Amino acid sequence: GIQVEQSPPDLILQEGANSTLRCNFSDSVNNLQWFHQNPWGQLINLFYIPSGTKQNGRLSATTVATERYSLLYISSSQTTDSGVYFCALTHYTGANSKLTFGKGITLSVRP
Amino acid sequence: SQTIHQWPATLVQPVGSPLSLECTVEGTSNPNLYWYRQAAGRGLQLLFYSVGIGQISSEVPQNLSASRPQDRQFILSSKKLLLSDSGFYLCAWSASGSSYNEQFFGPGTRLTVL
Repeated sequence: GIQVEQSPPDLILQEGANSTLRCNFSDSVNNLQWFHQNPWGQLINLFYIPSGTKQNGRLSATTVATERYSLLYISSSQTTDSGVYFCALTHYTGANSKLTFGKGITLSVRP
Repeated sequence: SQTIHQWPATLVQPVGSPLSLECTVEGTSNPNLYWYRQAAGRGLQLLFYSVGIGQISSEVPQNLSASRPQDRQFILSSKKLLLSDSGFYLCAWSASGSSYNEQFFGPGTRLTVL
């Protein structure tokens, strides 16, 4: 099956700093999503971005499908950005729409 | 707008007891529905998905089963729980018509089997 690798596994930032989270994948994708899992476990949709670039406030994401990676940028980080960030994607199999998740990146933003 | 509900939020059950977790979606018709499990705080694994009433596909062999008795209701069940069934269970939905539509997740149920 398709492999999803996220890096770095853990990240500690000072409030106000910028960061880049990376997601590498091993095959072509039809759907790529970025999620933020908050301390209560809720998965919050950040971006649906199988290709191209999108921005939402302090967050932006870029997926270069031909090179099989996606980046999530967080600018001017806040303590509320802490949590686990997941990249998840669907690889075309013609069978189903299973999202394959990476192992996540744990972000801690310190005041 | 669409919303997805799960209950209960937390559950503590003894080994060998039955299980029923419920998921309902509002604000959409004929959604694709999914059950995922997250163990040890990381990595979600797809358990079941459904594209319509009574249509269930299983991704991994396990002690669990799923049913979809109504269009916007998805139920996860077990006849006898195992210790290894402990985890965080998340229901998700996506719009029908494409296999690659964006998926949206419910708040989850945290299950502890003792």
